[in-house]
Amino acid sequence: DTEVTQTPKHLVMGMTNKKSLKCEQHMGHRAMYWYKQKAKKPPELMFVYSYEKLSINESVPSRFSPECPNSSLLNLHLHALQPEDSALYLCASSQAHSEYYEQYFGPGTRLTVT
Amino acid sequence: ELKVEQNPLFLSMQEGKNYTIYCNYSTTSDRLYWYRQDPGKSLESLFVLLSNGAVKQEGRLMASLDTKARLSTLHITAAVHDLSATYFCAVDDSGGSNYKLTFGKGTLLTVNP
Repeated sequence: DTEVTQTPKHLVMGMTNKKSLKCEQHMGHRAMYWYKQKAKKPPELMFVYSYEKLSINESVPSRFSPECPNSSLLNLHLHALQPEDSALYLCASSQAHSEYYEQYFGPGTRLTVT
Repeated sequence: ELKVEQNPLFLSMQEGKNYTIYCNYSTTSDRLYWYRQDPGKSLESLFVLLSNGAVKQEGRLMASLDTKARLSTLHITAAVHDLSATYFCAVDDSGGSNYKLTFGKGTLLTVNP
């Protein structure tokens, strides 16, 4: 099973709402990632978890709060977002402490902030 | 700061033709990845290149890596419409520990009948 799943597929939220994005993988990967991708741009790394611990935060605003409850799950909690946060949010996973880190991406959540 | 440059950024080609996408990077990494992204979809891993001189082929696509020149190429042979997508190269400059990929800006490939 080389699948990373993400829910929901689409999300529309107001600037005062709180919502969460979910990501799951069952490949035994111990590194998980959140990316933000705007149209016609490459993915921008937001967070990296390694062995359920946050290892990289790319100076992401605090209105985005990641959580890794166990080795298979990754959440991204959203609060007080701005319209410019509208984007495709991608989750990925890879081996950790390996020779290389081929990342497997989920289908993404298309987020619209109104 | 690691820089990854792809060219061309836009490529329109006819079916049956050959072309090459170039990916230059600024570090001494020997781990490079190619991904494909269809419009509105996620990224699909195409190739993992792990050493100088590595060459991988899948169907009409062939990728190679020259770590001394800090250059990877993605060669398209006899293009077909189904290859239309955006192709990203990404360099792993993690030094084995921080899992970070730096992506190029992507090449939007359109294959016309």
